[in-house]
Amino acid sequence: NAGVMQNPRHLVRRRGQEARLRCSPMKGHSHVYWYRQLPEEGLKFMVYLQKENIIDESGMPKERFSAEFPKEGPSILRIQQVVRGDSAAYFCASSPTGGFLAFFGQGTRLTVV
Amino acid sequence: DQQVKQNSPSLSVQEGRISILNCDYTNSMFDYFLWYKKYPAEGPTFLISISSIKDKNEDGRFTVFLNKSAKHLSLHIVPSQPGDSAVYFCAASVGYTGNQFYFGTGTSLTVIP
Repeated sequence: NAGVMQNPRHLVRRRGQEARLRCSPMKGHSHVYWYRQLPEEGLKFMVYLQKENIIDESGMPKERFSAEFPKEGPSILRIQQVVRGDSAAYFCASSPTGGFLAFFGQGTRLTVV
Repeated sequence: DQQVKQNSPSLSVQEGRISILNCDYTNSMFDYFLWYKKYPAEGPTFLISISSIKDKNEDGRFTVFLNKSAKHLSLHIVPSQPGDSAVYFCAASVGYTGNQFYFGTGTSLTVIP
């Protein structure tokens, strides 16, 4: 678990602000997945990225949400103009080969006030 | 559309006894199933998996059973220990890649010393 680093751990934003969540995968892992856990729900897939490419963003809301995984640096999940319904725990997982999700980060808990 | 369901939000078991956590799914195409364990303020940790070609997989104190006809799987922990107290998520997928996993809502297990 400690290998996948997410920051910040907690993020408070006012409605209408932008939230940026960062995920540094484990060393040697080039596949990153973002999942979201809304209150009282299970984790739900948002987006799957490889270095510089979005492979599958079918789980991501069409508006206000974007993700990137640049050649250098962490993967970023960006939420523009946050609303109360965006309050959730956002988890990142990484994989060396795109296989099953063995390694999750500790998550970022976003609270929109 | 909750394709993976954990109908028991919580479970309490005495130390040394068996813990049985249940999970039901609706999609008959799911062919890979996993259990994750999650402590508060941490990300999920992979515990054990089973593919649809098997009906049982064992790893130490943890055994997962799969009943494909009933679309049901269960995780048995024997003997239960206080350190097992956590939230347990089951997940299912069609195929083996991390963007295809559907998670249940979790069962909070408390092992009483």
